[in-house]
This record gives sequence, C-alpha cells and structure tokens, in this order.
Amino acid sequence: AQTVTQSQPEMSVQEAETVTLSCTYDTSESDYYLFWYKQPPSRQMILVIRQEAYKQQNATENRFSVNFQKAAKSFSLKISDSQLGDAAMYFCAYRSANTGNQFYFGTGTSLTVIP
Amino acid sequence: NAGVTQTPKFRVLKTGQSMTLLCAQDMNHEYMYWYRQDPGMGLRLIHYSVGEGTTAKGEVPDGYNVSRLKKQNFLLGLESAAPSQTSVYFCASSYSSIRDGHFGPGTRLTVL
Repeated sequence: AQTVTQSQPEMSVQEAETVTLSCTYDTSESDYYLFWYKQPPSRQMILVIRQEAYKQQNATENRFSVNFQKAAKSFSLKISDSQLGDAAMYFCAYRSANTGNQFYFGTGTSLTVIP
Repeated sequence: NAGVTQTPKFRVLKTGQSMTLLCAQDMNHEYMYWYRQDPGMGLRLIHYSVGEGTTAKGEVPDGYNVSRLKKQNFLLGLESAAPSQTSVYFCASSYSSIRDGHFGPGTRLTVL
C-alpha cells in the first residue's frame, strides 16, 4: 500500500505571511493524483487543491499552490497571504490512476494562524 | 443538491451494542467509502464500494460490515461495539477512480 507522510504535526504562521506544509509519499507507480484537503474545526473535509502526476506544471488555486517534485516524491502546499480562516488541519492524500479505489491520507498538519 | 450526508452526527453506545451509520449521496457517484479518523493517525479506510451491490475491505475492516444495496446509500454497521471503535467516521464518494473525494460531515461515535 502507498504511504503518505506529513512530518509536521503542527505549524504556525503570522497573518498575511506565507507558510509551506510538507508531504512526501511512497509509490512505485508513475500515474497518480495528489490532493490537499482542509479540515476546519467544523470537521468538514474540503478539497483545497489537486495535482495530476503527469502534469509538470504545479497546480494553483488562488492563494494556494503546490510544489510537486515527482522524482523526489514530494508534494508541498504553500499558502500565501495567510488568513485567520486558513487555520485548520491539512491532509495530504494520494490516489492511484490505475487502481484508484481509495485515497491514502497522511496524518495531517495542524495549522495555526496568529493574528 | 445536498452532496454527502451522514446520519447520525453523534452517537454514544455501550460496549456490545450494535448500530448502523447511514451515508447518502445525491451526485450519482459510483465510488463510496467509509473512513475513520483518530488523533495522530489521519484517515484510515474501513470499507469501500465501487458500485451498487459491491463492497470491499479497506485497511481496518475488522468489527465492521457494510452494504450498498442502492447506488446512493452506503451503510456501515457495527455488530458489537467496542471502546476501540470510538472515533469520528467519515463517508466519502467519488464519481470515478480518478476524481476528487466528496466528504460527509462526519459522525462522532463514542463507545463506553
């Protein structure tokens, strides 16, 4: 089974600053999808951003962008101009393009935004 | 369009009791999943379904059963609840094997 590792259990950032959350994964496949999900205190899981492994261009969604390094199996999330509403647990997830029956999740990073 | 809904949102059980969690989606998704979330362990897959009438085991299936009699519903059953099953349970659905997962709001279950 694929493994997804988030080595930062907790992170903090000053409001309006930039923060980067790390994620690495282990796979022998070449075609897959990577996701970042946000879980605020409400518990609802919200998709932040998605990256297809076959695309070299890093995905961007407004203030959220990723640094996808396929050879290094690294998928970090950069949040620019951090806002109080960004405070949440962030999960990195992997899904195979060939046998994509499930999502594999990391253990999460709790992000605190300091006013 | 309600997305993915879960019933109930909270439940307290005594050891040995049984219960069923209901997940419903109105997006005509083929894939449905049950995950449990425990502190420090992320989300772990319990069971999943790739279509009506099909189910398969995930990473932590012991003590749980599932059924997918209708495409829009995915039921998770606990036959004899144990304290180790205290957790937050999430249902999710996906249109296909390469699309995003849509999550329900979660069910917090406490087993005393």
